[in-house]
Amino acid sequence: GAVVSQHPSWVICKSGTSVKIECRSLDFQATTMFWYRQFPKQSLMLMATSNEGSKATYEQGVEKDKFLINHASLTLSTLTVTSAHPEDSSFYICSAEGGGTDTQYFGPGTRLTVL
Amino acid sequence: KNEVEQSPQNLTAQEGEFITINCSYSVGISALHWLQQHPGGGIVSLFMLSSGKKKHGRLIATINIQEKHSSLHITASHPRDSAVYICAVSGSGGSNYKLTFGKGTLLTVNP
Repeated sequence: GAVVSQHPSWVICKSGTSVKIECRSLDFQATTMFWYRQFPKQSLMLMATSNEGSKATYEQGVEKDKFLINHASLTLSTLTVTSAHPEDSSFYICSAEGGGTDTQYFGPGTRLTVL
Repeated sequence: KNEVEQSPQNLTAQEGEFITINCSYSVGISALHWLQQHPGGGIVSLFMLSSGKKKHGRLIATINIQEKHSSLHITASHPRDSAVYICAVSGSGGSNYKLTFGKGTLLTVNP
């Protein structure tokens, strides 16, 4: 089946630094990628929808200048958390849609801890 | 906005028991998804269905579009089935891809 990878799987950073998370579709071209955030014991919350070659569409309440999304190719989308703060600590998950199906394929997630 | 409600929130079972997790939603959808999230966080898509019933191994998913309700069944449950099971719907609000998630059901299967 289709595989989506994320890198890194976990990251610890100091407050004020920026962190980049990569999401790759390994064996299919992803026309659309989604970025989610999940706080402990909470459901996944969609942050933004990313289409290759165009600007991401952010959900209400998500700061586009803080969470920069780049979908430069059909197999790679990146999420950069700029000037990270402890409240940004969360589990970030991407998913990709494509490969000729309507199914979303989820990445394994990236756990971000901001000290 | 579509609301997705799951029940129960927590479920503990003995190995071998038949498990049912329920999901209800409030507005029309194009598809309903059942996802599995293990303690490490990774998510696996189990089913996507828009009508009827699907079966994969010991897992069965059904959906009733008229009643806006879906169930996920696990037959002959096993401790490795312990995970959070999440119901999600797509296709509401004009978007076919955006998912709205339920809060999940934490299943623990004891040996």
